[in-house]
Amino acid sequence: GAVVSQHPSWVICKSGTSVKIECRSLDFQATTMFWYRQFPKQSLMLMATSNEGSKATYEQGVEKDKFLINHASLTLSTLTVTSAHPEDSSFYICSARDAGRGQETQYFGPGTRLLVL
Amino acid sequence: DQQVKQNSPSLSVQEGRISILNCDYTNSMFDYFLWYKKYPAEGPTFLISISSIKDKNEDGRFTVFLNKSAKHLSLHIVPSQPGDSAVYFCAASAGGAQKLVFGQGTRLTINP
Repeated sequence: GAVVSQHPSWVICKSGTSVKIECRSLDFQATTMFWYRQFPKQSLMLMATSNEGSKATYEQGVEKDKFLINHASLTLSTLTVTSAHPEDSSFYICSARDAGRGQETQYFGPGTRLLVL
Repeated sequence: DQQVKQNSPSLSVQEGRISILNCDYTNSMFDYFLWYKKYPAEGPTFLISISSIKDKNEDGRFTVFLNKSAKHLSLHIVPSQPGDSAVYFCAASAGGAQKLVFGQGTRLTINP
């Protein structure tokens, strides 16, 4: 149980284009999902908290207009990197909390590697 | 301000011996702690957690110890196996808050 998937697993795009990344909880409902990014050899940095049916909460320094988050259902959250630039190249990882278990444990997806040329 | 710190960037242990990974935190409001294991280009995998009302939690080869007065937790893996080679992150959350704060990670290498 507690499986989280991400799609795509990797993407290469041209500078200026937008990229959408999907995060799904496969066997549980997630009222809250989280989006992280990780640079090489660094820790996971929380970008935003995605709440089903409401606006996402962004961490300080994260541009909400650049990283659009939509949490349309209890099993799906999407992150759209708009007008991507090379500095947005990174490893993006989502996680989800199992609302049914009432725990604080977050289960992570496999990550999406984004390369912007 | 790094609220969760893993001061050892790497650790090398012989197969079959005990691996001890350490983590320190500064925020006294943290009341839930987790350990994750991560392979390159993959998402972290949850290993074990502990609530601040406990000082020890065990799951198979993995045991987490929490010393609240020292604001220190550790993960013990025994016996260590080659498949345990990965980067280990500790994380903490406060007061039911949903955010997790991660340490920098420790790369564990198990030598045959």
